[in-house]
Amino acid sequence: QKEVEQNSGPLSVPEGAIASLNCTYSDRGSQSFFWYRQYSGKSPELIMFIYSNGDKEDGRFTAQLNKASQYVSLLIRDSQPSDSATYLCAVDTGRRALTFGSGTRLQVQP
Amino acid sequence: KAGVTQTPRYLIKTRGQQVTLSCSPISGHRSVSWYQQTPGQGLQFLFEYFSETQRNKGNFPGRFSGRQFSNSRSEMNVSTLELGDSALYLCASSSLATGTEAFFGQGTRLTVV
Repeated sequence: QKEVEQNSGPLSVPEGAIASLNCTYSDRGSQSFFWYRQYSGKSPELIMFIYSNGDKEDGRFTAQLNKASQYVSLLIRDSQPSDSATYLCAVDTGRRALTFGSGTRLQVQP
Repeated sequence: KAGVTQTPRYLIKTRGQQVTLSCSPISGHRSVSWYQQTPGQGLQFLFEYFSETQRNKGNFPGRFSGRQFSNSRSEMNVSTLELGDSALYLCASSSLATGTEAFFGQGTRLTVV
C-alpha cells in the first residue's frame, strides 16, 4: 500500500464547476498536509496547507482534513481552464520529509 | 522577496561522471530539502538540512550526498552517475518559524547519457 494515494485521473470538469480532489494517507502520525499544483514542465507550487481537522478556505480553494478517516481533499470552486494541472497531495509525518502522492491530473474544459 | 533559486537549470552528463547542484533558499529560510522527481517514481525525498546539519535522509544510495553552508545555501552531489539518475531535482526551503510549508525552486533537469 502506498503511503499517500491519489487517483491519477484525469479528472475532467467543465469551466465554472467545482473540482474535488481526494487523497488518503496511511501514517496516522501525519501532522501536516499540503496541496501542490504542478503545470507540465514546471516545479510544484504550494497552494494550500492544513494542519487541523476541518476545512480551510483560501479564495477559490478549500482544503478539508479528516484525520480519523485519514483523508484530505481539495475543492476548487469556479474552476478555470488555467486550473488544468496536476495536483499533488503531500504529507509530513513530523520528520520534515514530505511524502507525495502520484498526483491527480485535472482538466477544466472551456 | 526572491524565491528559491536552483542552478543550473539543465545538465547533461555521461554515465560515471559526478554532478553538483546548487540551491539558494528564500531569504530567512534555514531548512532546505531536496527531492527527485521521475515519471515512474514521482516525487521522492532525498534529504533535509537545517543549520548545516543533515536531519533526515531518504532511501537513496550513498552516491547521493549534500551539504548546507552557513548562509543556508545548499548543494547536492551525485557521484558515479547512472542512467536512472536522470530526473528533475527539486530543492525546497522552509522557514519552520510558522509551519513546515515548503516552497520549491524551478528545479534542475539532469539527463544522464
